[in-house]
Amino acid sequence: GEDVEQSLFLSVREGDSSVINCTYTDSSSTYLYWYKQEPGAGLQLLTYIFSNMDMKQDQRLTVLLNKKDKHLSLRIADTQTGDSAIYFCAVPRNSGNTPLVFGKGTRLSVIA
Amino acid sequence: EAGVAQSPRYKIIEKRQSVAFWCNPISGHATLYWYQQILGQGPKLLIQFQNNGVVDDSQLPKDRFSAERLKGVDSTLKIQPAKLEDSAVYLCASRGVAGGLNNEQFFGPGTRLTVL
Repeated sequence: GEDVEQSLFLSVREGDSSVINCTYTDSSSTYLYWYKQEPGAGLQLLTYIFSNMDMKQDQRLTVLLNKKDKHLSLRIADTQTGDSAIYFCAVPRNSGNTPLVFGKGTRLSVIA
Repeated sequence: EAGVAQSPRYKIIEKRQSVAFWCNPISGHATLYWYQQILGQGPKLLIQFQNNGVVDDSQLPKDRFSAERLKGVDSTLKIQPAKLEDSAVYLCASRGVAGGLNNEQFFGPGTRLTVL
């Protein structure tokens, strides 16, 4: 089945860029997602990318997709203290209406 | 538009006791998911409903967990009897029929269960 791997921790200084990486095993996914989870809160969809795209930019967020290497990354420009949270890479188990397979999450700490 | 509602937000029980969680998905959403998120891990699917039918319950520990969605709207997840390893956040998510532009799943705030 689908497996999603992420590094567990990332620490950056305020104003720097953050890059969170993710690898997955199944290439049939149509959309790939990044979710954000703040302490005590549910999961919030941060951004997504369609599988036929290489890059998607949305304000401070840039998603890069390398389908050949099955590698997904999330770049946050000008990281702020409010960006401190856990970021999850999520990939549908199969194409269509299927559940998501999540990585273990990357805890981003932003130092002022 | 109201989001996915869950209750209770927190629950503390002793092992071998029973507990039930409730989820009200976004109005009109046909697909409902229950995920279990153990501390330090990502959410993992327990069960998926399409309307009032079960689509996938392969990861549900059926000896102690049960779930239902009788009228295709609200859903309840029950654990009986609870074990220490059931301590986790239980997340409910829903998705519309067409899934929108990105097949997005909308998550509720979760129920944090502590089993002592």
